[in-house]
Amino acid sequence: AQKVTQAQTEISVVEKEDVTLDCVYETRDTTYYLFWYKQPPSGELVFLIRRNSFDEQNEISGRYSWNFQKSTSSFNFTITASQVVDSAVYFCALRGGTASKLTFGTGTRLQVTL
Amino acid sequence: DVKVTQSSRYLVKRTGEKVFLECVQDMDHENMFWYRQDPGLGLRLIYFSYDVKMKEKGDIPEGYSVSREKKERFSLILESASTNQTSMYLCASSLSTGASENTEAFFGQGTRLTVV
Repeated sequence: AQKVTQAQTEISVVEKEDVTLDCVYETRDTTYYLFWYKQPPSGELVFLIRRNSFDEQNEISGRYSWNFQKSTSSFNFTITASQVVDSAVYFCALRGGTASKLTFGTGTRLQVTL
Repeated sequence: DVKVTQSSRYLVKRTGEKVFLECVQDMDHENMFWYRQDPGLGLRLIYFSYDVKMKEKGDIPEGYSVSREKKERFSLILESASTNQTSMYLCASSLSTGASENTEAFFGQGTRLTVV
């Protein structure tokens, strides 16, 4: 069985602060894929990143960075210098090697205030 | 541009009604999914389809059925709506896992269903 845990239900930060969203996963598959999605108030989930289990390189995209550590089964997401537009619910998700379906965590609501 | 379109943004239905939620994608994706989103529970998979006329149960299929007669369209059916089916419903599509590593799912805007 697959499981994704996002222990942080809500995080509130002031603009320009850095914030890290945690994601811990469980799977028996040796090949798997991890994802992060953003859900702004409009409701549509927006794909942010995909990571393969055999590639542990960290990735940076502008103010966003992702830290993938197989040893701790974690795939954490950091926003540097947060902005009000980053306010959203963020979901971490997992797909096993040959499976089609995504298993989602319960999401972390990020509120960035001025 | 990638597009998944759900037929309604908001729906209000009465208990016992048969409800159809429609989803169309224009990316020629093999896989299509229906998720339900509830506060504190994240997204839970109801059903998915990996080909026309093919379907598999997800984690919470009870009270729902699906139909996929054409590759681009995936319908979720509530046979007899109940108040505990009040929720946000999200449709998604993705490429087949055998075709590519680029198997991220693309989502529609969601349908907020209220059953009264």
